[in-house]
Amino acid sequence: GNSVTQMEGPVTLSEEAFLTINCTYTATGYPSLFWYVQYPGEGLQLLLKATKADDKGSNKGFEATYRKETTSFHLEKGSVQVSDSAVYFCALDSNSGYALNFGKGTSLLVTP
Amino acid sequence: DTAVSQTPKYLVTQMGNDKSIKCEQNLGHDTMYWYKQDSKKFLKIMFSYNNKELIINETVPNRFSPKSPDKAHLNLHINSLELGDSAVYFCASSQDWSDSAGEQYFGPGTRLTVT
Repeated sequence: GNSVTQMEGPVTLSEEAFLTINCTYTATGYPSLFWYVQYPGEGLQLLLKATKADDKGSNKGFEATYRKETTSFHLEKGSVQVSDSAVYFCALDSNSGYALNFGKGTSLLVTP
Repeated sequence: DTAVSQTPKYLVTQMGNDKSIKCEQNLGHDTMYWYKQDSKKFLKIMFSYNNKELIINETVPNRFSPKSPDKAHLNLHINSLELGDSAVYFCASSQDWSDSAGEQYFGPGTRLTVT
């Protein structure tokens, strides 16, 4: 079935460093792709999404591009802040289309 | 106003007990979900309901029984609790599932601890 694989964490960066969190997917058809973020003690919230190949999703300085040729949807940010410390989940439509399948999450810690 | 709310936030109980978690959304969405997040943060779909009808049941033990009295509510009842049921349970909702599960709105989670 449709699935995503994302890089293992935890990732520790200094403030203002460049962030990349890798995500690759396996899917039949053309699923939508998502990045969700979970701040400590909270539920997940949508960070950005892309619905077709070559789409770029962006929000709060984060970006990810739907790359069909490499089946990837890597998350990037040019300059991270302490407030970006959270767990980041890559996700895609399940085969049924009635739910999302999530990656295992990547924990990010940004230090001052 | 809270978009997706869950009660209780914490639930500590003993093995063998029966417990319920309630979820309500005020977004007017048609589809609601239950997810289980284990201790390693892995998030897995349990159930999906659309307009009060069950759409997905992902090989969840039948000790778990979701109930949707109306479109705005999806409750989760768990019978004969086991140690392995300890996890954080998230309720979520989305506008519809016709083309894509789309943007899902998550509740704050219920941390269930079975002792």
